[in-house]
Amino acid sequence: EAGVVQSPRYKIIEKKQPVAFWCNPISGHNTLYWYLQNLGQGPELLIRYENEEAVDDSQLPKDRFSAERLKGVDSTLKIQPAELGDSAVYLCASSSGGRDEQFFGPGTRLTVL
Amino acid sequence: LAKTTQPISMDSYEGQEVNITCSHNNIATNDYITWYQQFPSQGPRFIIQGYKTKVTNEVASLFIPADRKSSTLSLPRVSLSDTAVYYCLVGGRLDTGRRALTFGSGTRLQVQP
Repeated sequence: EAGVVQSPRYKIIEKKQPVAFWCNPISGHNTLYWYLQNLGQGPELLIRYENEEAVDDSQLPKDRFSAERLKGVDSTLKIQPAELGDSAVYLCASSSGGRDEQFFGPGTRLTVL
Repeated sequence: LAKTTQPISMDSYEGQEVNITCSHNNIATNDYITWYQQFPSQGPRFIIQGYKTKVTNEVASLFIPADRKSSTLSLPRVSLSDTAVYYCLVGGRLDTGRRALTFGSGTRLQVQP
């Protein structure tokens, strides 16, 4: 069974440019998470979806970040415009329930110059 | 939000038992405690999950006291491949009733030969 797929694995952009990350969760998992992880720190939840509904986006900086999960399957996280402080690893995870084991993708490492 | 506190780092030797404690004073009544392991350049990987008392699987044990304000991950007979960062994850209910997921700061375990 395929795991959580994320693309791209690496992205380098200049500040003020837009960027998008894509995630395809494990088939059948209705819960999808986006996390941000800075170097040396634990993942921080940005948004959690239950099917198509964003049930927890309290930590998402809505002035520049947006996310969507059309049809309740794959998801896209966008930053526009990117700032230097957005350089981090963006992790996607999925699970089959709110408390169930989360399966993480390899992450996208974003560098903003 | 439920805040967690873990030791920043721990050192051990191959074959020893390692116990990592996580403090989570504000854990909600119906929240579970989950531990993850993360290697460099990879997403976190589920180790074990529990609600109270003791849980054991093929790789670890999780001890949770009656007040549930802390938990201890126990790794029996560690090997070099157990060198990683270990995260404690709990869910905290926001005032609005929505759940938030919080990773701890992580404990960097270094296993020496």
